[in-house]
Amino acid sequence: GQQVMQIPQYQHVQEGEDFTTYCNSSTTLSNIQWYKQRPGGHPVFLIQLVKSGEVKKQKRLTFQFGEAKKNSSLHITATQTTDVGTYFCAGRVNRDDKIIFGKGTRLHILP
Amino acid sequence: NAGVMQNPRHLVRRRGQEARLRCSPMKGHSHVYWYRQLPEEGLKFMVYLQKENIIDESGMPKERFSAEFPKEGPSILRIQQVVRGDSAAYFCASSSSGGRTEAFFGQGTRLTVV
Repeated sequence: GQQVMQIPQYQHVQEGEDFTTYCNSSTTLSNIQWYKQRPGGHPVFLIQLVKSGEVKKQKRLTFQFGEAKKNSSLHITATQTTDVGTYFCAGRVNRDDKIIFGKGTRLHILP
Repeated sequence: NAGVMQNPRHLVRRRGQEARLRCSPMKGHSHVYWYRQLPEEGLKFMVYLQKENIIDESGMPKERFSAEFPKEGPSILRIQQVVRGDSAAYFCASSSSGGRTEAFFGQGTRLTVV
């Protein structure tokens, strides 16, 4: 079945360092979404990428969708303590398909 | 516009009892997803419903678990004869279409089986 793999599982960074999480799908995706879940909270939508090779930025966050639409990355520049949480990628194979989540990358910020 | 509402937020059940988890999607949303999350783990897909129809239930255990999304009222995830292994957070999400729109999550129901 369709799988979405995400690495790394955990990441500890010093405050101010950069952070990247990677997402790979076993099948070509219709679109990919990124969510953030704070400890004890619920997932909150960050962004959606649809086009091959698409790059989107939100302040210190940069999201990329691979040319083959099978992989994606989220890069955070100069991390802050407010970035703590788990970042999930989620993909759809077809337009009206279920959303499959990766296992997430848990980001810890060291002061 | 209220967000996705899940209730109860916390539910304690004894082994063998039934658990009913409710999810009211955002206004205008006809697509509902249910996910299960164990502590420190990811979101495991359970079921995808559109009004009155189950579209994909490939993540649902074959026994004891069922889901519905009636024409009127919230979506219900029902777990019969709960066991300790059912303890988890159950999240519901809704979207306006199964296509290009994002999913909005409820705050989850944390089920504890004692």
